[in-house]
Amino acid sequence: EVQLVQSGAEVKKPGESLKISCKGSGYNFTNSWIGWVRQMPGKGLEWMGIIYPGDSDTRYSPSFQGQVTFSADKSISTAYLQWSSLRASDTAMYYCARQGYYYDNIDSSPHDAFDLWGQGTMVTVSS
Amino acid sequence: DIQLTQSPSSLSASVGDRVTITCRASQSISNYLKWYQQKPGKAPKLLIYATSSLQSGVPSRFSGSGSGTDFTLTISSLQPEDIATYYCQQSYNTPRTFGQGTKVEIK
Repeated sequence: EVQLVQSGAEVKKPGESLKISCKGSGYNFTNSWIGWVRQMPGKGLEWMGIIYPGDSDTRYSPSFQGQVTFSADKSISTAYLQWSSLRASDTAMYYCARQGYYYDNIDSSPHDAFDLWGQGTMVTVSS
Repeated sequence: DIQLTQSPSSLSASVGDRVTITCRASQSISNYLKWYQQKPGKAPKLLIYATSSLQSGVPSRFSGSGSGTDFTLTISSLQPEDIATYYCQQSYNTPRTFGQGTKVEIK
């Protein structure tokens, strides 16, 4: 089965570090970008950035650059999202998603989209 | 960053109604627009890419149109299982921003 399975919910205190995971199966994990999306409680989706597991090339949203770190271990088909010092404002659901490529019917231009999603990891930061 | 503004923020319609959601971009994004559906407590699901191409397995009552800065998602006949929040997203440049979402409820 093609799927992304994320690690379980976490409850942390401000200032603590955290690393959550996203494990892919059923497809070639190495050759597809993996993205991270934040959803704060009751709010919308925010694109955090993407990582290419094949060579760990990363692209961060300016809003998240320096706040989080993406990494990947292609040998075990797993991507990671980590924080060195959590804040209460990091409380959110975090989704990983595979970035697939699709081609426009008219001009064959490539379009990327998150076509496979993990179930989400809820991170709660509270003193 | 490209801003995407969806309207309305929420709507209530009857089963069988035609529902239209709009997404306006702060600059031209050609046809690099996709739509996702997020049901309560679930991960988002890709519905439409390249403005109007239906993802495999998505019911044909969903359709998308537009170009440049103005886009629409249409549900031709609303079904109870369509209760969800719908998000547009652009892939014209990085960061790949999302709209703020439109919550669809049954009247």
